[in-house]
This record gives sequence, C-alpha cells and structure tokens, in this order.
Amino acid sequence: DVKVTQSSRYLVKRTGEKVFLECVQDMDHENMFWYRQDPGLGLRLIYFSYDVKMKEKGDIPEGYSVSREKKERFSLILESASTNQTSMYLCASSLPSDTKKLFFGSGTQLSVL
Amino acid sequence: QKEVEQDPGPLSVPEGAIVSLNCTYSNSAFQYFMWYRQYSRKGPELLMYTYSSGNKEDGRFTAQVDKSSKYISLFIRDSQPSDSATYLCAMSGGTDKLIFGTGTRLQVFP
Repeated sequence: DVKVTQSSRYLVKRTGEKVFLECVQDMDHENMFWYRQDPGLGLRLIYFSYDVKMKEKGDIPEGYSVSREKKERFSLILESASTNQTSMYLCASSLPSDTKKLFFGSGTQLSVL
Repeated sequence: QKEVEQDPGPLSVPEGAIVSLNCTYSNSAFQYFMWYRQYSRKGPELLMYTYSSGNKEDGRFTAQVDKSSKYISLFIRDSQPSDSATYLCAMSGGTDKLIFGTGTRLQVFP
C-alpha cells in the first residue's frame, strides 16, 4: 500500500514564524501535491511537483513556497505565518500515468496564533 | 459561481438506507469524475473513478455521470455505520488538475 506520511498531526505556531510542513511518500511516485482544506471551501491546490527540483504553482500559492530535493519528500514552507493560514494541510502523491488517483496523507492541522 | 457545487449536509440516514450524494458542475470540459471518501482525522481516499458519462458499480457503490445535465451522483446501497464519512466529488478535464467539491458529511446511525 502507498503510504504518505506527514510529519506532524497538529502544529501551533505564532504569527511571523517560518513554518515547515514535511511530507514523505514510499511508493516512488513522481507527482506530489500540497492542498489546504477549509470548511466551506473544500480542497485548494497550493503547489505541486512532477519531479525532483521541479515545482508548479497551484491556485493559492501566495505566502507559501515548496522544496523537493528528493523524489520521496515534498516540503511546504510558510515564510511568515499569518492567522489566515490556519488550516488543515494535506499532502498527496500520484503516478504520472494515473494522475486522477491521489494518495493523501492524514493531514497537518496548523493553527497560527 | 463555483466550478463544482456540493451540498455540505450533514446527511443522516438509518443503517440499511440507500444514500444519494450529488454534485453539479459548470465546466463542460470535465471528462473525469471521482468520488473520494474522507474519514474523520484522515486524508481523502479514492472511492470511485469514472470517465465521461454512464454508470460504474463497485459492490454497494454506484457512480453515475450525466454530462448533459452536468450532474454526478454516488449511490450507496445498504448503508452501514462504517460508511459515515465526508464524501468529496472531484473532476478534471484535459489537465491533471483536480477540482474538488466541498464535501458532503454522511452519518449512518444503527
């Protein structure tokens, strides 16, 4: 089974802090994604990556950056956390041949105070 | 107007009931239609995947797509308490980008 692991289940940070959210997948998937999930807004794509060192902006990239130094690891960075970035963050991966089948991690609930 | 509309619920039904979950969409370019299930404190998992119009059945689950009406449905027969979750529809056109609905929370009580 594909496993997508997000390093923290809950995280509490202060406004202005730099925040790192880590995601690791163990099935050699080329594609990796970061979403945020908010009540009434659903899942919104922040950034995605089709390969190591590659990154593409999603629908809401402002205030975020990403890093993909290794195929299995995709990091989301909040350069200066703000209260409107309080959300559930979900990492996902997929094969290039089956991009509709996303495998999600369990999510990181981030609270920015 | 959102590209994908989904009633948030909650939908509460007794065990054994037939459940109908629905989404409407506005983009006629959508060709791929998915249903994801998300249990509390977990990430979504793919439940059903259909291409273009028609029906697809998998056990107690049936996915239906009506492209002429821009309407998709997920039917759950003989619903079980273990079906209690949030159900997210998702769609895409010619790109790899998925557009998700906001999810419908389903509760099946014994």
